[in-house]
Amino acid sequence: DIQMTQSPSSLSASIGDRVTITCRASQSVSTYLNWYQQKPGKAPKLLIYAASSLQSGVPSRFSGSGSGTDFTLTITTLQPEDFGTYSCQQSFSPPWTFGQGTKVAI
Amino acid sequence: QVQLQQWGAGLLKPSETLSLTCAVYGGSFSDYYWSWIRQSPGKGLEWIGEINHDGSSNFNPSLKSRVTISIDTSKNQFSLRLTSLTAADTAMYFCARRGTQYRGGWFDPWGQGTLVTVSS
Repeated sequence: DIQMTQSPSSLSASIGDRVTITCRASQSVSTYLNWYQQKPGKAPKLLIYAASSLQSGVPSRFSGSGSGTDFTLTITTLQPEDFGTYSCQQSFSPPWTFGQGTKVAI
Repeated sequence: QVQLQQWGAGLLKPSETLSLTCAVYGGSFSDYYWSWIRQSPGKGLEWIGEINHDGSSNFNPSLKSRVTISIDTSKNQFSLRLTSLTAADTAMYFCARRGTQYRGGWFDPWGQGTLVTVSS
């Protein structure tokens, strides 16, 4: 199985801050990497697919980059509604695996 | 706008069988894989398995021996059965659609989730 490791596990930031979350794969996944946002008690919501493509309806302050084993999710100007847990997921080979999540507190 | 709505029993005893169903409203049923994913309290997301419209299925090896996923194309529904439950199976269970247009695609949309608690 491909292991996905995120850092940090949690962070606290202020409104307007630039936030960066890192995801590392245990082997190359090319650009087959997706990012999700999850609010407490709710289902995850797709933010970024194929490492850097913004899902329709997602604000442009979210962006993704990276390839191979190292990926980054960036929120350029943190907004109050951006609190929650962010998870990466590889879609290179099954079983499809997720990172452990990064909890963002405002 | 595709929507997934899921249901099933939320409180089960050890050794019992979990049974959940997910209905798909809108969109194509035949061009995707239909997945089950769970999240244990305070933990990350774990993919359980998936099925497509012709019954082709894939499973997480860690759960494969206890999992059955079935599909009813006449109702646009798919179901999960997980046998021999233990407390470790306590989790929020989600259904989700996975596209295949870019290798493994991505999970979107998701069902609302069903909290399953295993306790004697």
